[in-house]
Amino acid sequence: EVQLVESGGGLVQPGVSLRLSCAASGFTFSNSWMTWVRQAPGKGLEWVANINQDGRTINYIDSVKGRFTISRDNAKNSLFLQMHTLRAEDTAVYYCARDQGWGAYDYWGQGTLVTVSS
Amino acid sequence: QSVLTQPPSVSAAPGQKVTISCSGSSSNIGNNYVSWYQQLPGTAPKLLIFNNNKRPSGIPDRFSGSKSGTSATLDITALQTGDEADYYCEANDNSLTAYVFGTGTKVTVL
Repeated sequence: EVQLVESGGGLVQPGVSLRLSCAASGFTFSNSWMTWVRQAPGKGLEWVANINQDGRTINYIDSVKGRFTISRDNAKNSLFLQMHTLRAEDTAVYYCARDQGWGAYDYWGQGTLVTVSS
Repeated sequence: QSVLTQPPSVSAAPGQKVTISCSGSSSNIGNNYVSWYQQLPGTAPKLLIFNNNKRPSGIPDRFSGSKSGTSATLDITALQTGDEADYYCEANDNSLTAYVFGTGTKVTVL
């Protein structure tokens, strides 16, 4: 059974850092592009970043460039999102998802909530 | 503001059909595959359609996707109460070097 389990969310103050993790199982993690998608409360889905199989190709949306870093550890079947200088507008549920190819996300985690507030 | 535009809501009676449009441009839908997702309240999104018109295993054929030019469409036939959810289109955007989701459409079964 495929599982993606996010962790690391919480309530933080503006300007601080947070690291999200996503533990993958049930598929060959090292063969898959992986993605982070977020959803602000009551809002739509927003694609955040993706990373290819060996971690050498990475893309971000403009609003997180220079603040967020996506990475992976294939030996530990884990995906990460290091977030710096957090802003109120980063408040969202963050989902990790597997890309089966051409941007089709076939497996999703349950999400982890990040709340940025003073 | 998403670059993929969907109607905020559509509705129909049980057994009827709804069509959800997704309007983009040549930098996204016009030259890339479109995927569609269903998000039931309080749950993670679920892949319904990929590569414009393909269904993953387990997705009923009541759900179908198509693409023409810079627009895509999701059709849901034989509507059921369990289909009440938010639906999102998604595609790669070559100009943004990122993937984008549509604005989302809420389907209501009357």
